[in-house]
Amino acid sequence: GAVVSQHPSWVICKSGTSVKIECRSLDFQATTMFWYRQFPKQSLMLMATSNEGSKATYEQGVEKDKFLINHASLTLSTLTVTSAHPEDSSFYICSALAGSDNEQFFGPGTRLTVL
Amino acid sequence: GQQLNQSPQSMFIQEGEDVSMNCTSSSIFNTWLWYKQDPGEGPVLLIALYKAGELTSNGRLTAQFGITRKDSFLNISASIPSDVGIYFCAGQRTNAGKSTFGDGTTLTVKP
Repeated sequence: GAVVSQHPSWVICKSGTSVKIECRSLDFQATTMFWYRQFPKQSLMLMATSNEGSKATYEQGVEKDKFLINHASLTLSTLTVTSAHPEDSSFYICSALAGSDNEQFFGPGTRLTVL
Repeated sequence: GQQLNQSPQSMFIQEGEDVSMNCTSSSIFNTWLWYKQDPGEGPVLLIALYKAGELTSNGRLTAQFGITRKDSFLNISASIPSDVGIYFCAGQRTNAGKSTFGDGTTLTVKP
């Protein structure tokens, strides 16, 4: 099946700094990727839809200036958490659509801890 | 907010027992999906359902797409310790891939 990777797998940063998370489709091209956030013992909440070559579409309540998304190529989308604060600490998961069925393949997630 | 109600929230069962979990929604979905998530990892697709009434199996797993298109269930037969994890249902309204997830069912299997 299609493989999606994320980098880094975990990151610890100081409050106020920015953190960039990469999502790559390794063996296929993806015009559409999704970014989710998952707090402990909770479900996946969709943050935004990342479209190659165009602006991301953000879900209601997600600040687009705080969570910057760039989908500059068919195999890479990046999520930058700007001026991170402790409440941004979470598990961030990306997914990419592949195939004629538009099946969604998930990355392994990135654990962000903001001190 | 979350539009899918998944139950039960958690299950503790003995190895070899069968398991059943379900998802309901107040609105219609055109696709139902079931995922398993292990700790610290992303979800992995178990079964995808595309048609109302569809019953699909994947090994010991069976899932059905409800006739009303507002519900789905997942059964696991003869559970084994490696079935431990969190199971999520997800619904899609279009084929654009955007999914709404249920709150998850945490499964614990005692050997």
